[in-house]
Parts: sequence; structure tokens; C-alpha cells
Amino acid sequence: ETGVTQTPRHLVMGMTNKKSLKCEQHLGHNAMYWYKQSAKKPLELMFVYNFKEQTENNSVPSRFSPECPNSSHLFLHLHTLQPEDSALYLCASSQDRQGIVPQHFGDGTRLSIL
Amino acid sequence: SQQGEEDPQALSIQEGENATMNCSYKTSINNLQWYRQNSGRGLVHLILIRSNEREKHSGRLRVTLDTSKKSSSLLITASRAADTASYFCATDEGTALIFGKGTTLSVSS
Repeated sequence: ETGVTQTPRHLVMGMTNKKSLKCEQHLGHNAMYWYKQSAKKPLELMFVYNFKEQTENNSVPSRFSPECPNSSHLFLHLHTLQPEDSALYLCASSQDRQGIVPQHFGDGTRLSIL
Repeated sequence: SQQGEEDPQALSIQEGENATMNCSYKTSINNLQWYRQNSGRGLVHLILIRSNEREKHSGRLRVTLDTSKKSSSLLITASRAADTASYFCATDEGTALIFGKGTTLSVSS
């Protein structure tokens, strides 16, 4: 148990669907992250939130829309995705935004786009 | 941008043997971190070594850092089947953490 919970664990959706991924952390951390993990590629940082404010968007297509209502919850809203968006989406949190502290990861949502 | 690059990409050993994985990076860093990922799970932080440190230990793990060569190594001693996983190094680039592609370690009993 890492203290970071992601739901759902698996999601299959069509390209025209709208769905949301949820992440909740019970560690009292102030920073939260979304990563994309595709086969044979390095982990890609998508979004960063620090104290509920988005501080980084790594040129992510607008079909991915993050939301951070409070420091404990992070959502990733999905719409009109493409087959290449199929991947493992990982949420992480850390005590603060600096890259010098460890990050705690959830077990991810395995997303498959039909 | 990719910062860390692990080597080898895959490693197969027998239980009880030692496993060594290497990481090379390109730019100056404040720290380097190692993570483990079991199949179907998220990443787990193993150890963090700061740029002014040369070696760090945690249980059966030993990490070294050579900033002159821009490289780090992770040694797992007396490996167990439960050590089977992918191992990633991560370096700080500005305020982001940049991960390599990882080394897949398989430990057979």
C-alpha cells in the first residue's frame, strides 16, 4: 500500500467516449503528478499540480484534461482519445514540487482505446 | 527530454547472485533516484543519492554515483525471486523528475 490509490485499474473505451481517471493520496502531500507509461518508452510526465495549481503541462494534447479540486485528489478527464493513447497512466504525489524528493506512485490505470 | 539511460536493458540471474544495473545521464544533477516497478504495479522509490554523495546503502541495495562520469550504479546483493522487476533511475531536470527506460531484472530460483 503506497498511500496513492487510482481508479479504475483497467479501462476500455472507444474513441468517442468520455471517461475520467481518479487519483487520491492519503499522505498529506502537496504535489501531484500524472505520468504516461507506454511500452518500451520512458515514463512521460504529463501534468504537475502543486498546492492545487497546475505548474506544468508537458505539451499534452487537449483531449487530456486534468483537474485538481484539492491537494488529495487528482483527475484526468479523457475525451476523443486515439489508439496511441493506450497506455498505463500513473499518478504520483510528493511532499513538495521540487525534483529532489521521492515520489509515491499509485498502481496505475491500464487504458485501452478501441 | 530523456535524462537517464539504464544499462543493460534486461538482466537474468539466479537466486543468490548479485545484480548490477547502470545509469548514465547527460546534464548536471542535484540528486539521482532509483525506483522499482513490479509487473502491473506502480513505481516504488528505493533510494535517493545526492550529487555530493558517492555511495549509499539500504539493506541489500548499494548505489554509487560518479558525477565526473555522469553515471550511477545499483547493486542488489544476494538476489531473490521477489527482486524480479523493472528498475528505473530518475534524475532531476529543473523541477521535473526524468526517468530512463529501465532495466528488467529476472531472478530465477
